[in-house]
Amino acid sequence: KNQVEQSPQSLIILEGKNCTLQCNYTVSPFSNLRWYKQDTGRGPVSLTIMTFSENTKSNGRYTATLDADTKQSSLHITASQLSDSASYICVVSAGTSGTYKYIFGTGTRLKVLA
Amino acid sequence: DSGVTQTPKHLITATGQRVTLRCSPRSGDLSVYWYQQSLDQGLQFLIQYYNGEERAKGNILERFSAQQFPDLHSELNLSSLELGDSALYFCASSSRRLTDTQYFGPGTRLTVL
Repeated sequence: KNQVEQSPQSLIILEGKNCTLQCNYTVSPFSNLRWYKQDTGRGPVSLTIMTFSENTKSNGRYTATLDADTKQSSLHITASQLSDSASYICVVSAGTSGTYKYIFGTGTRLKVLA
Repeated sequence: DSGVTQTPKHLITATGQRVTLRCSPRSGDLSVYWYQQSLDQGLQFLIQYYNGEERAKGNILERFSAQQFPDLHSELNLSSLELGDSALYFCASSSRRLTDTQYFGPGTRLTVL
C-alpha cells in the first residue's frame, strides 16, 4: 500500500535554532518527492522537488535530502524564524503518465517561539 | 500571491445539493490539479487535467466531476453533497512537466450543513 509517514507530528523550537523533519515512504513506482509549507487556512507553497537521482536540494534556509534506497527524506530548517511556524507536508508522486498519483503525508506542525 | 485564482472563497450549502468550484490557473500553465483537505483526512489528490484532457485520477468520488475548458480554467462539480464533503478544496497549476512546481490557489472552503 502506498503510504507516506511524517515525524514528528508536531515540534516546538526557539527562534534561531535548527530542526529536521522526517518523511518515510512506501510508494511504488517512485517518481518524485516534494516538500510543501502550509500556513493555516492557506494553500501549500512548494519548497523543494526531488527526483530519484537527486539526493539534496536547497531553497534558502530549507534543505531537503532524499535516500531512495531507504525511502527516506528529511527537511532541514536552518536558523529558524517566527515565520517558519507552519505545517510542513511531504508528498510523494507515484506512477507513470495516466496512472499518476500524489500521496500526502499528514504533515509536521512546527511552532517557532521567540 | 501564486497567480492561481479560485472562486468562491466560501460556500455554505445543504446536504443533497450540488455546487461548482472554479479555478483559473497561472498564465501559461497547462495543468490543473484539484485537492481536498479535510480535518480528518488531510490533503488528498482528486484529479488532474492537462490542456483540456484528464491526465490522472486520485481519490475522487463518483459524485464529483471536473473539467478543463479551452481557456484552461477548470471547474470541480460536487453533487449529492454530504456532511463529510465539508473541506477546503484547493486548485493548483503547473506548466508542463511532471516535476514542475505546482502553484496552489487560496482554496474554497465548503461547508455542508
